[in-house]
Amino acid sequence: ETGVTQTPRHLVMGMTNKKSLKCEQHLGHNAMYWYKQSAKKPLELMFVYNFKEQTENNSVPSRFSPECPNSSHLFLHLHTLQPEDSALYLCASSLRTSGNNEQFFGPGTRLTVL
Amino acid sequence: KNQVEQSPQSLIILEGKNCTLQCNYTVSPFSNLRWYKQDTGRGPVSLTIMTFSENTKSNGRYTATLDADTKQSSLHITASQLSDSASYICVVTIGAGNNRKLIWGLGTSLAVNP
Repeated sequence: ETGVTQTPRHLVMGMTNKKSLKCEQHLGHNAMYWYKQSAKKPLELMFVYNFKEQTENNSVPSRFSPECPNSSHLFLHLHTLQPEDSALYLCASSLRTSGNNEQFFGPGTRLTVL
Repeated sequence: KNQVEQSPQSLIILEGKNCTLQCNYTVSPFSNLRWYKQDTGRGPVSLTIMTFSENTKSNGRYTATLDADTKQSSLHITASQLSDSASYICVVTIGAGNNRKLIWGLGTSLAVNP
């Protein structure tokens, strides 16, 4: 195990539903990330948090709303999603955002939007 | 056109055989290059990291090379095992400090058959 857990592992939701993805890291890291992984596309960085503060938002639609209550937990709140949002959502953490710090990934949440 | 290109897109080999995966990049300024292994249903796990001055790095049966002049890297897998079946992703970090950015390749899907 990498020390990063994600729940749920699979999620099926309708376009009008509201759901949340949860990520927890047990590595004592200070930076956390949300990525989207779609078929035939490179990993897309969505959000970056450093010491609980959001430092990067890569033009992500507002239907995705992140929350970082502390350095160990990260949430991604979902509402009124579209079918094209179906993908694997990966959470990662690193000691800090600068330097050659390795990012440790969770297993991901496989999201299907109907 | 992806700024980090990997080849082949997919590869099938027999258990015990060697193989080499390629990664060519066009991005700059170069900071480091990582190879990640992603098993099905899991997040990526780092195999090696190389900076500008390093041209070879090994991790068990995995050996990565880097030619920063030609902007090419390879990942060589020796005496393949069934557990090597996975996607191998090349990631180039550009910039430094708070301006660093990770550029992900699409990955090479490797299947090792008995």
